[in-house]
Amino acid sequence: TQLLEQSPQFLSIQEGENLTVYCNSSSVFSSLQWYRQEPGEGPVLLVTVVTGGEVKKLKRLTFQFGDARKDSSLHITAAQPGDTGLYLCAGHGSGNTGKLIFGQGTTLQVKP
Amino acid sequence: NAGVMQNPRHLVRRRGQEARLRCSPMKGHSHVYWYRQLPEEGLKFMVYLQKENIIDESGMPKERFSAEFPKEGPSILRIQQVVRGDSAAYFCASSPSLVPGQEQYFGPGTRLTVT
Repeated sequence: TQLLEQSPQFLSIQEGENLTVYCNSSSVFSSLQWYRQEPGEGPVLLVTVVTGGEVKKLKRLTFQFGDARKDSSLHITAAQPGDTGLYLCAGHGSGNTGKLIFGQGTTLQVKP
Repeated sequence: NAGVMQNPRHLVRRRGQEARLRCSPMKGHSHVYWYRQLPEEGLKFMVYLQKENIIDESGMPKERFSAEFPKEGPSILRIQQVVRGDSAAYFCASSPSLVPGQEQYFGPGTRLTVT
């Protein structure tokens, strides 16, 4: 069974601090996606990483896919209150059936 | 281009009633996925459908739950004889095709409360 484990589960920081969220697995994933979800809404896709070692930047967010495609990280520089939310990593299950396997999520609170 | 639409956004049912959740995928998307998010848990895959076909229902409970995606109209997730444990947020996602790494776009969800 493919599993994705995210850490930390909860993170509360002050505005301006940096943070990193980790998404780890013992399985290889063909790609990983990062989503952000706000209360009462659906997940919104932030980025997809496909190639081992790939790094993608989205303004103050930096996403990295591990060389072995078993792990990924999300780094936020100079966090702002608007970054508050639930961050989810997800990978496509084996067999190319289309289903996404999600991590448990990281709840981020950025205090002004 | 409208996003994935789900309705209703909130649904209250008494135990034993039926719940019908609707999902209209993004324009041009022919692949639909349903996920369930229980309180304090992550999203769990339920079922993957293409037009008129169920491709993967490995995450669907064997009883009381069914899904369809007819040739015309939205995809429907049906829960018969609901129980309190069915209370959750149900999300639909869509994609235009099935290729490695294909991105899925999510709707706002239907929050089901069983009283």
